[in-house]
Amino acid sequence: DIQMTQSPSTLSASVGDRVTITCRASQSISSWLAWYQQKPGNAPKLLIYKASSLQSGVPSRFSGSGSGTEFTLTISSLQPDDFATYYCQQYDSRWAFGQGTKVEIK
Amino acid sequence: QITLKESGPTLVKPTQTLTLTCTFSGFSLSTNGMGVGWIRQPPGKALEWLALIYWDDDKRYRPSLKSRLTITKDTSKNQVVLTMTNMDPVDTATYYCAHRDALNLCAHWGQGTLVTVSS
Repeated sequence: DIQMTQSPSTLSASVGDRVTITCRASQSISSWLAWYQQKPGNAPKLLIYKASSLQSGVPSRFSGSGSGTEFTLTISSLQPDDFATYYCQQYDSRWAFGQGTKVEIK
Repeated sequence: QITLKESGPTLVKPTQTLTLTCTFSGFSLSTNGMGVGWIRQPPGKALEWLALIYWDDDKRYRPSLKSRLTITKDTSKNQVVLTMTNMDPVDTATYYCAHRDALNLCAHWGQGTLVTVSS
């Protein structure tokens, strides 16, 4: 099975900061990678699919890149609403999630 | 508009069998490419995929839990049922169901249901 590894596990940042989260797959998944945002008590919300495609309604400050085994999620200018936990997910073969990155206030 | 909702017990005892139902609308599980999956999340921990069922009744399970899981569908009722046997306190989690589209993406999730395993 494909394993997903995210880093860092926690990230402290300030409003306005540029934030980057990395996700690595244990084998090539082409571009079959999604990013989700989750806030406490809520289901995950899809932000990015196919590694770099922005889901409808998601602010353009979110962007994704990568292919094969290395992927990144970037928030260009962190906003108060962005403090949350972010998960990557491969959907090349079944589903598998990373362990999450919590973005907290510095 | 695709919606999903999980239902089932909030409390089960150790060794019991958990049965969860996902009731959905906005798509049909008889449509080519469609599917429904189950994901769980222990309190304060990461998301963990459990099982997937496809329109053609093909099924996939998390290898480490395969012996304990069964996923079935009732297309006429727009429902998917997940059973997990021999529940343990470590299985305490919020259980989500999600829609799987033709590209294997899960863009739509249910609200989740918290299941506590305790005697």
